[in-house]
Amino acid sequence: DAKTTQPTSMDCAEGRAANLPCNHSTISGNEYVYWYRQIHSQGPQYIIHGLKNNETNEMASLIITEDRKSSTLILPHATLRDTAVYYCIVRVPSGSARQLTFGSGTQLTVLP
Amino acid sequence: DTAVSQTPKYLVTQMGNDKSIKCEQNLGHDTMYWYKQDSKKFLKIMFSYNNKELIINETVPNRFSPKSPDKAHLNLHINSLELGDSAVYFCASSQDPFTGRLYNEQFFGPGTRLTVL
Repeated sequence: DAKTTQPTSMDCAEGRAANLPCNHSTISGNEYVYWYRQIHSQGPQYIIHGLKNNETNEMASLIITEDRKSSTLILPHATLRDTAVYYCIVRVPSGSARQLTFGSGTQLTVLP
Repeated sequence: DTAVSQTPKYLVTQMGNDKSIKCEQNLGHDTMYWYKQDSKKFLKIMFSYNNKELIINETVPNRFSPKSPDKAHLNLHINSLELGDSAVYFCASSQDPFTGRLYNEQFFGPGTRLTVL
């Protein structure tokens, strides 16, 4: 799986958009970008994934650059409950490597 | 309706004891996992089972033995517990990618915090 680089921490004001960047310059053509988050003392939670097109669901939007070397997770209206560690993972979704490889992630703190 | 459940939530025990952690998923998934999260918060895969068969076995001491009685359950038994085993253990499940779903999101349990004294 390709390695990812994320900022260690970020702050965001409540109600504003939170934009979390991720660099994955060594991503290969068949690897997807996944985002998970882990709220304190809970298990990780799937947020969104994408291959090359921008994606949106009820939780967030995922913007992937045209060269696929970086992406941004957008929480459009951050709330205090969005405070968590956000993990960006790139991987092939099938085959023997079914496991997720988590890095250190970005600690997002939403401020009142 | 809990999707992935683990018991117990907290486990405090003495060094040298044997303990088990249970995991159950009611999502109908074929694949289940055990992850370990240490004090530095890194989450590492330990084992993965697909339809009761072991498919991933990372470099984990032999004292750790997973058991899958059916595809909805994956238990973790730990023999001769050591201080370094203290961590949070997460169970997860996912739909088998070979059944046609293109992606493979994983659903995690709430974790079991193991403390070895």
